[in-house]
Amino acid sequence: ETGVTQSPTHLIKTRGQQVTLRCSSQSGHNTVSWYQQALGQGPQFIFQYYREEENGRGNFPPRFSGLQFPNYSSELNVNALELDDSALYLCASSLIPLAHEQFFGPGTRLTVL
Amino acid sequence: TQLLEQSPQFLSIQEGENLTVYCNSSSVFSSLQWYRQEPGEGPVLLVTVVTGGEVKKLKRLTFQFGDARKDSSLHITAAQPGDTGLYLCAGAQSPGANSKLTFGKGITLSVRP
Repeated sequence: ETGVTQSPTHLIKTRGQQVTLRCSSQSGHNTVSWYQQALGQGPQFIFQYYREEENGRGNFPPRFSGLQFPNYSSELNVNALELDDSALYLCASSLIPLAHEQFFGPGTRLTVL
Repeated sequence: TQLLEQSPQFLSIQEGENLTVYCNSSSVFSSLQWYRQEPGEGPVLLVTVVTGGEVKKLKRLTFQFGDARKDSSLHITAAQPGDTGLYLCAGAQSPGANSKLTFGKGITLSVRP
């Protein structure tokens, strides 16, 4: 069984740029959720994808967007990067109807300068 | 806004000691998860509790879900240096779709040899 993988591991961008982060879900899982974890904080829910559609969204602006593909992998796109977007971005996969049991990838560390 | 308060925020103990940490909320959750996270990595799921009053054991770790499903505790017996890490609790409103997790800020545990 393959776990959740994310790429890239680290990324440095400058303010105003755009970034795409990628996630491959655990084998057999059909739901992907994205979280932002700032330093010293718990993860904050960004959004969830199920059957290639957004299935719930947290308190993040529209410049945070995502996609889910037929193989359940997912992308997180962030436009017009701001300094406060610097964080660890975590992807978690799960399987409805037990979607509360979410399994996390190692994360992508994004630094915005 | 659903909030999960974790306490204490930081804990430093000697190897062999016992400890209990807490996760409290004013909201009812359909389930509550405990995760452990090490620096630079994603959270690793330790346990899910779903029934009020439920107690689950994982080796030296004992997890309890409050009767009203608003709070939880984690007790570690004879702590070891390998238990060091950030312990996060997360609540889910539903097991199905829109199962976003609301995380606490975490408890940083350090176990000294």
